[in-house]
Amino acid sequence: NAGVTQTPKFQVLKTGQSMTLQCAQDMNHNSMYWYRQDPGMGLRLIYYSASEGTTDKGEVPNGYNVSRLNKREFSLRLESAAPSQTSVYFCASIVDKSYEQYFGPGTRLTVT
Amino acid sequence: RKEVEQDPGPFNVPEGATVAFNCTYSNSASQSFFWYRQDCRKEPKLLMSVYSSGNEDGRFTAQLNRASQYISLLIRDSKLSDSATYLCVALPGATNKLIFGTGTLLAVQP
Repeated sequence: NAGVTQTPKFQVLKTGQSMTLQCAQDMNHNSMYWYRQDPGMGLRLIYYSASEGTTDKGEVPNGYNVSRLNKREFSLRLESAAPSQTSVYFCASIVDKSYEQYFGPGTRLTVT
Repeated sequence: RKEVEQDPGPFNVPEGATVAFNCTYSNSASQSFFWYRQDCRKEPKLLMSVYSSGNEDGRFTAQLNRASQYISLLIRDSKLSDSATYLCVALPGATNKLIFGTGTLLAVQP
């Protein structure tokens, strides 16, 4: 039981490049989330998916797209990376009813 | 006003001390509350849920005061390994989008 896994762990992009961050969970959770964490800003919700086939915007969705590929996988895509997207990205899933949230190890992204 | 507010600290305490953090939330419809712990350069991890009646897990005690809209975390007999950032989290009613505070940094000194 791996919990929530994310790839890659580290990435450096040039401005304008695109990439997809992958996330998977093996806990059979319905809801999955993408956050970014910046110094002094705390965790900010980018997008979330309440169930397979649905996605919703969070607090800071601009510049990102998501795909809930199936119940296990929820990917985050940066179409044209900008330096303002330099951050640590966390994927998470949540236990139904208790709302306890479990996080992946994070992806450290630098955009130059 | 932020939905969930915490004193960022740092709280510098000696080993063995008791330390308490408070966190206020603005949405009175919030239903569930949590404390998470985040070590430097790691992901947040659930420390404990906060129940209306208060709850205790070893050296950690969490309490909820709905009238004043705050939750607290008490750590007794602090250990060096307790050094981390503690995140307060609230779940507004009718949504499954958790709201995180920016965290309180605790440094336990030998």
